[in-house]
Amino acid sequence: SQQGEEDPQALSIQEGENATMNCSYKTSINNLQWYRQNSGRGLVHLILIRSNEREKHSGRLRVTLDTSKKSSSLLITASRAADTASYFCATAVISGGYNKLIFGAGTRLAVHP
Amino acid sequence: NAGVTQTPKFQVLKTGQSMTLQCAQDMNHNSMYWYRQDPGMGLRLIYYSASEGTTDKGEVPNGYNVSRLNKREFSLRLESAAPSQTSVYFCASIPGQTHNSPLHFGNGTRLTVT
Repeated sequence: SQQGEEDPQALSIQEGENATMNCSYKTSINNLQWYRQNSGRGLVHLILIRSNEREKHSGRLRVTLDTSKKSSSLLITASRAADTASYFCATAVISGGYNKLIFGAGTRLAVHP
Repeated sequence: NAGVTQTPKFQVLKTGQSMTLQCAQDMNHNSMYWYRQDPGMGLRLIYYSASEGTTDKGEVPNGYNVSRLNKREFSLRLESAAPSQTSVYFCASIPGQTHNSPLHFGNGTRLTVT
């Protein structure tokens, strides 16, 4: 099974609602990163949260990290149609002597006008 | 700044053909990466280069070779393409050699092998 697993796999909401995506992982991490991918494009970094941090904000985005539960959540408040995209968490770990960034399979978010 | 540029955007190959995917970054980054993205599987690391002149295997290196031509350019070569290599390929870079800063991605190459 994967190091980072997002939940849910897909989420459909109305504009103005909040969207929450969760990420669980298995091993100790240095940091956890969230990315967004619009259809047909590359991934764009949203927020990086370090293992000694519990919460970070960026505009309408709020990320929490609970290392005791090995989980993170991404909250998008007051969603807009433009937030429609896939969202990925990625965990930075040290494995086999080198640094790795392991991606989950993503959450597909659809925001309807 | 263009960031990370990948060429081509699309490519169709027949089984057994070869091709090279090009990637260049203009941010003076040290480390560069090649990932593949398949439906429902997230991104998987093929090869990476922590600095000019070095390359290392990632999670799924079989069937691929790479060249770190200089600090800017990192190419991915398929010597004999197979249908299992149908995927979207992303190049990415970071300033240092650890993942303490986020990846910068190109827009991808969509490859179909028939």
